[in-house]
Amino acid sequence: QEQLVQSGPEVRKPGASVNISCTASRDTFSNSYVHWVRQAPGQGLEWVGLMNPHDRSATFAQKFQGRFSMTREPSTSTVHLELRTLRSEDTAVYFCASGIGYNYGPPYWGQGTLVTVSS
Amino acid sequence: DIQMTQSPSSLSASVGDRITMTCRASHFISAYVNWYQQKPGKAPKLLIFAASNLQSGVPSRFSGSGSGTDFTLTIDSLEPEDFATYFCQQTYISPPWTFGQGTKLE
Repeated sequence: QEQLVQSGPEVRKPGASVNISCTASRDTFSNSYVHWVRQAPGQGLEWVGLMNPHDRSATFAQKFQGRFSMTREPSTSTVHLELRTLRSEDTAVYFCASGIGYNYGPPYWGQGTLVTVSS
Repeated sequence: DIQMTQSPSSLSASVGDRITMTCRASHFISAYVNWYQQKPGKAPKLLIFAASNLQSGVPSRFSGSGSGTDFTLTIDSLEPEDFATYFCQQTYISPPWTFGQGTKLE
């Protein structure tokens, strides 16, 4: 069974950037779509973006376009999510998830990374 | 963007009960709905994909149905470990793939 391990908690000031990672135990993400989903404290789930394994292109929800980016390191089976120009409302747990079906929910999830944005 | 509306927002039940919760899409989404279970401090767990397909390893007391805009998640004979928050998500055609606001089962 695939396991996803995410990097540890991060604290940043408003306007700063942060890079969080998601590493797969078995697959290299070469055939899996990698999703990012975030959850603000006490709130529901919010879909952030998706990486296409075939061309490594990334698609983000419109509110994150231009501020968030995603890259993949094939050699380490790791996907990175970079968040720039952080705002207090970006404070959330960020989950990565993966699956082979483009239009199906991902079955494999990381444990989550808490990003706290505070002055 | 397609909006997903779940109801009720919270649901009280007891062990052994049969419960149903619903999810309504703002536009036609065929059968591209997924259901997740989330417990406090944990990642979501995929239960159902494509409206009615049980994810491997998920108990058969969970079932999903619906197509078009209206979908349901049913749990037959609740077990203690089923008390959690449930989210629906649409994955129709192309992103963004939006979630409902959740139903808390307590």
